[in-house]
Amino acid sequence: EVQLVQSGAEVKKPGESLKISCKGSGYSFTSYWIGWVRQMPGKGLEWMGIIYPGDSDTRYSPSFQGQVTISADKSISTAYLQWSSLKASDTAMYYCARSFITTDPFDYWGQGTLVTVSS
Amino acid sequence: QSVLTQPPSASGTPGQRVTISCSGSSSNIGSNTVNWYQQLPGTAPKLLIYSNNQRPSGVPDRFSGSKSGTSASLAISGLQSEDEADYYCAAWDDSLNVWVFGGGTKLTVL
Repeated sequence: EVQLVQSGAEVKKPGESLKISCKGSGYSFTSYWIGWVRQMPGKGLEWMGIIYPGDSDTRYSPSFQGQVTISADKSISTAYLQWSSLKASDTAMYYCARSFITTDPFDYWGQGTLVTVSS
Repeated sequence: QSVLTQPPSASGTPGQRVTISCSGSSSNIGSNTVNWYQQLPGTAPKLLIYSNNQRPSGVPDRFSGSKSGTSASLAISGLQSEDEADYYCAAWDDSLNVWVFGGGTKLTVL
């Protein structure tokens, strides 16, 4: 069974760093792209970027380039989304999801990680 | 402001047929296929329709999709209470090189 399991909710202060994770199982982790999608409170879905764990090829949405870093460790089938300095506006639910190629739909999603940034 | 435009809300009574529209441009819907996601309250999105009108395994045939030009639509027939959710359309945008989503449509089953 394909599963993407994300790390738990986080509460951080502005300026702090954070790295959340997404562990894949039940499929060949290095053969699919893993993307990240933001959903701000009460809002819609926004595509942030995507990584191919097989060779770490990474693409970012211009809206998120320089704001976050996407990485992966194929040895433990885990993808990451990280911030070096959080802002209150980063408060959102973050989902990871799988696709076969970058222009394919996301067929499996993680359960989401809620990030709250507040002083 | 979302790149793809959806009505913010839709509603219907059990058994009815409802449709949700999604409008885009030549760089997204006009040149690529459309996918639809269903997000039940408090859960992650789920792929509902891909490649304009294809249903993943397990999705009831009450759900159907279509596309014409730079617009697409999702139809739900035989509406059920468990269909109450947010629905999002999505397409790859060749100009922006990103996936773009609609703002979402909240479906209420009256």
